[in-house]
Amino acid sequence: GQNIDQPTEMTATEGAIVQINCTYQTSGFNGLFWYQQHAGEAPTFLSYNVLDGLEEKGRFSSFLSRSKGYSYLLLKELQMKDSASYLCAVSPNSGNTPLVFGKGTRLSVIA
Amino acid sequence: DGGITQSPKYLFRKEGQNVTLSCEQNLNHDAMYWYRQDPGQGLRLIYYSQIVNDFQKGDIAEGYSVSREKKESFPLTVTSAQKNPTAFYLCASSMGRGQETQYFGPGTRLLVL
Repeated sequence: GQNIDQPTEMTATEGAIVQINCTYQTSGFNGLFWYQQHAGEAPTFLSYNVLDGLEEKGRFSSFLSRSKGYSYLLLKELQMKDSASYLCAVSPNSGNTPLVFGKGTRLSVIA
Repeated sequence: DGGITQSPKYLFRKEGQNVTLSCEQNLNHDAMYWYRQDPGQGLRLIYYSQIVNDFQKGDIAEGYSVSREKKESFPLTVTSAQKNPTAFYLCASSMGRGQETQYFGPGTRLLVL
């Protein structure tokens, strides 16, 4: 079976740091993706991890531990515009196979 | 300017009516996907196509149909058999051949009158 778990909602303060966790159990593993989705809009690609470790991209970083089936997305210096849903998705194998998506974490950034 | 387009942005369906949602990409991607999104449900896969003239059912294909006659186009028809079609529909594409990153169109919101 395929299962991806992430918290439903989180709240954080402007200027702070927030970590959004994702755990997965899938039939195979060919990489983990994070997407950002603002309300009423399409998801946009944030990051891709296939090897263990931390990938940093500006204010956003993504970490992967394949042995633990675990990833997190770290958002630094939070801004109001970061209020959105963050979707964790796993590619179970290569070859045009659909991604398996979690239900998303709705992040609210407050002043 | 490459990308994925979906039309229309809003679509209204009457009871018993079939409606078709358009999805076009000029990214030269092999694979295309249709998802449905309901509040609190995340993305659910309806159909996907790995190559022209071929497609597979996803998790919630009942009441939907697709075609893939051209690489650039993957239209989705919501048939009258789909009893609860009100949702946000998202089309995506990926390069394939090991490059699995999916890129999404802007979405179509379908409402039943």
